[in-house]
Amino acid sequence: GAGVSQSPSNKVTEKGKDVELRCDPISGHTALYWYRQSLGQGLEFLIYFQGNSAPDKSGLPSDRFSAERTGGSVSTLTIQRTQQEDSAVYLCASSPQDYGYTFGSGTRLTVV
Amino acid sequence: GNSVTQMEGPVTLSEEAFLTINCTYTATGYPSLFWYVQYPGEGLQLLLKATKADDKGSNKGFEATYRKETTSFHLEKGSVQVSDSAVYFCALRGGTSYGKLTFGQGTILTVHP
Repeated sequence: GAGVSQSPSNKVTEKGKDVELRCDPISGHTALYWYRQSLGQGLEFLIYFQGNSAPDKSGLPSDRFSAERTGGSVSTLTIQRTQQEDSAVYLCASSPQDYGYTFGSGTRLTVV
Repeated sequence: GNSVTQMEGPVTLSEEAFLTINCTYTATGYPSLFWYVQYPGEGLQLLLKATKADDKGSNKGFEATYRKETTSFHLEKGSVQVSDSAVYFCALRGGTSYGKLTFGQGTILTVHP
């Protein structure tokens, strides 16, 4: 597609439930990134995929967070047993190489 | 590790005023530096970038110069418009964190007519 697509755009979930957030990167982009933007905070790096290399998971805040990227394209970020502090906008970005990110519009997650 | 520090906001200006948003960084090696902008209700967009010392990035009337001696990448615009109202993020890539961007906390800019 023309840009990075994220779904859903908004998600409200109950505390303790699992959620899956989806990212469709720009076709041909080898690098894919997940960031989190909390109210009043900057952007927090979560995870980075580059081609077939092992992902850089150094930013995942706890073992409740995981992500996968299937076939080098679509990525899913999963949050298990959601907590209220997980409420944030989750942003995905892709890049043809380690440069020139294009960001999606994000998924706003609200845990009630 | 890498870090980026932006000036505290929010910043409120009148139209046609001069804008400076300060950004300083800490990184090893030779990072690439970026400014991203987030307009209300929209996603993050790359505004400008610089990849080596003394490079000047520019776009839409905004400029920033990569100053290695002061580890700074301040954003400037000579005459702001109402349409420039947005959140501005300074970021770096490289050094010890190759591949991922490290962002500053963002600066909210509001321009009044």
